[in-house]
Amino acid sequence: DAKTTQPNSMESNEEEPVHLPCNHSTISGTDYIHWYRQLPSQGPEYVIHGLTSNVNNRMASLAIAEDRKSSTLILHRATLRDAAVYYCILSENSGGSNYKLTFGKGTLLTVNP
Amino acid sequence: KAGVTQTPRYLIKTRGQQVTLSCSPISGHRSVSWYQQTPGQGLQFLFEYFSETQRNKGNFPGRFSGRQFSNSRSEMNVSTLELGDSALYLCASSRADRGYGYTFGSGTRLTVV
Repeated sequence: DAKTTQPNSMESNEEEPVHLPCNHSTISGTDYIHWYRQLPSQGPEYVIHGLTSNVNNRMASLAIAEDRKSSTLILHRATLRDAAVYYCILSENSGGSNYKLTFGKGTLLTVNP
Repeated sequence: KAGVTQTPRYLIKTRGQQVTLSCSPISGHRSVSWYQQTPGQGLQFLFEYFSETQRNKGNFPGRFSGRQFSNSRSEMNVSTLELGDSALYLCASSRADRGYGYTFGSGTRLTVV
């Protein structure tokens, strides 16, 4: 299984940008990079995903390195509701259109008021 | 639009019994995946179904099985329950195209006593 490496925890202040890094040096050319977050007592929530180009949506931005061996999830203005465990995941191509998500330990983001 | 619905939300079973968990995906989503989440192992992939066929399987014993019906609803069964099967079981649905993310349900909390 392709692996991702994330810091165990990060801290941010409310209203400030947050950059959550992820290393995925063994990524293959067809693997998508996904980010999910999980609040306590809830299932993971989709945040964003991309293949090669940087991506933006209403929740966040995803910056992907040119060699695709790393990526950064950017929360432009952190709020207290953004406090969660953030997972960086590769959707591995296991044949044809089949793929699965392999979760790591994730990064626990703490947002200070 | 309704989200992914998992039933029941909580379940207590005795060691040796069997259990069946249910998942109703988002309308139009044809792929359903199951994950087990424990404090020690984190989120682990169990299996994925698409059009009533299992496409991917994680590293779990044969006591864990699943199926998908023609309306994409899925069930997961665990036979001969062990104490270590106590976990949050999460279901996620997707359009099944690799360019789309997963939507997770809130999970079923299974406690084996």
